[in-house]
Amino acid sequence: EVQLVQSGAEVKKPGESLKISCKGSGYSFTSYWIGWVRQMPGKGLEWMGIIYPGDSDSRYSPSFQGQVNISVDKSINTAYLRWTSLKASDTAMYYCARHGPGPQGTAWYFDLWGRGTLVTVSS
Amino acid sequence: DIQMTQSPSTLSASVGDRVTFTCRASQSVSDLLAWYQQKPGIAPKLLIYKASTLENGVPSRFSGTGSGTEFTLTISSLQPDDFGIYYCQHYDSDPCSFGQGTRLEI
Repeated sequence: EVQLVQSGAEVKKPGESLKISCKGSGYSFTSYWIGWVRQMPGKGLEWMGIIYPGDSDSRYSPSFQGQVNISVDKSINTAYLRWTSLKASDTAMYYCARHGPGPQGTAWYFDLWGRGTLVTVSS
Repeated sequence: DIQMTQSPSTLSASVGDRVTFTCRASQSVSDLLAWYQQKPGIAPKLLIYKASTLENGVPSRFSGTGSGTEFTLTISSLQPDDFGIYYCQHYDSDPCSFGQGTRLEI
């Protein structure tokens, strides 16, 4: 089955670090960009950034550049989203989703979504 | 970066109605436009890409039109399962931003 499986919900304190994961299966993981999308409580979808597992090339929305880090371990078909110092405003649902095919697929739609990881940051 | 604006913010309709959502881009995105449906607590689902191409398994009552800066998503005959929030997204260039969504109430 073609799917993206995300890690479980997290509750963290401000200032803590966090890394959430997204594991792909059922397709050629290294051949498609993987993206991250933020959805704050009661709000819309925000395109955060993407990474190409084939060569770890990454792109970020200016709104998220420097705020998060996207990485990948292609040996285990897993992409990551990392924060070094969480803020309360990072509280949101984070979705990973399959983006475009091939090295040129930086501008594409999301055709396969994970179920989301809820991150709650509270003192 | 390209900004996407959707209207209306909320739409109320009845089963059997024909409904239309609008999405505008701040600059031309050609036909590189996708539509998603999201239900509460569930990940978004791709409905349409390339402005008018239906994703596999999406009912034919959904259709999309438009190019350049103006796009529409139409549901020809509303069904009870169609409630949710509908988002457009351009993919002309990264970042591939989303519109703010239109909530459909049945």
